Amino acid sequence: EVQLVESGGGLVQPGGSLRLSCAASGFTFSNHWMSWVRQAPGKGLEWVASIKKDESEQYYVDSVKGRFAISRDNAKNSLYLQLNSLRAEDTAVYSCVKGSGGGITAWGQGSSVTVSS
Amino acid sequence: DVVMTQSPLSLPVTLGQPASISCRSSQSLVYSDGNTYLSWFHQRPGQSARRLIYQASNRDSGVPDRISGSGSGTDFTLKISRVEAEDVGIYFCMQGSHWPHTFGQGTKLEIK
Repeated sequence: EVQLVESGGGLVQPGGSLRLSCAASGFTFSNHWMSWVRQAPGKGLEWVASIKKDESEQYYVDSVKGRFAISRDNAKNSLYLQLNSLRAEDTAVYSCVKGSGGGITAWGQGSSVTVSS
Repeated sequence: DVVMTQSPLSLPVTLGQPASISCRSSQSLVYSDGNTYLSWFHQRPGQSARRLIYQASNRDSGVPDRISGSGSGTDFTLKISRVEAEDVGIYFCMQGSHWPHTFGQGTKLEIK
């Protein structure tokens, strides 16, 4: 069974940083694109970033370019999202997703990030 | 960015009756490889989302055949032929043909 378990969320001040982690199991992690998706309170889903199997390509939504960084460690079956220069509008539940584009096949439960002073 | 517009946003349905959700994109979702990367997902309260349909009309493993997807280009539909209690929750479409990938607003299906 595919499992995606996020961690690392919390309360952070504007301008601060957080690192989200996603522990993957139940599939061959190194064979799949991985992504992060977020949902702000009362808002719809927003795709945040995707990373290719071998880390050779990364894609970001414009609103996080230059501030967020997606990475992975295939040896540890783990996906990461480094969140820097956080803003109030980054407050959301961040979910780890197996796949990208038309190939999304599993979602984690999500990790909550609150940016507030 | 490609805008995905779902309707209706709220869908009260009687058990055993059909349901239909529309998803329209602001640009064609036909990718350069000829495929159309439009997926439908279902999220029950308190649970992770589950993909139901990929490439507009292909049902995922384990999805009952009373659930179907159709459409092409910019106009797509998810249909449930006979709604059951387990179908409650949020349904959303997502396009994966263009970066950034974008989602519909979500349709909340509830039992009347």
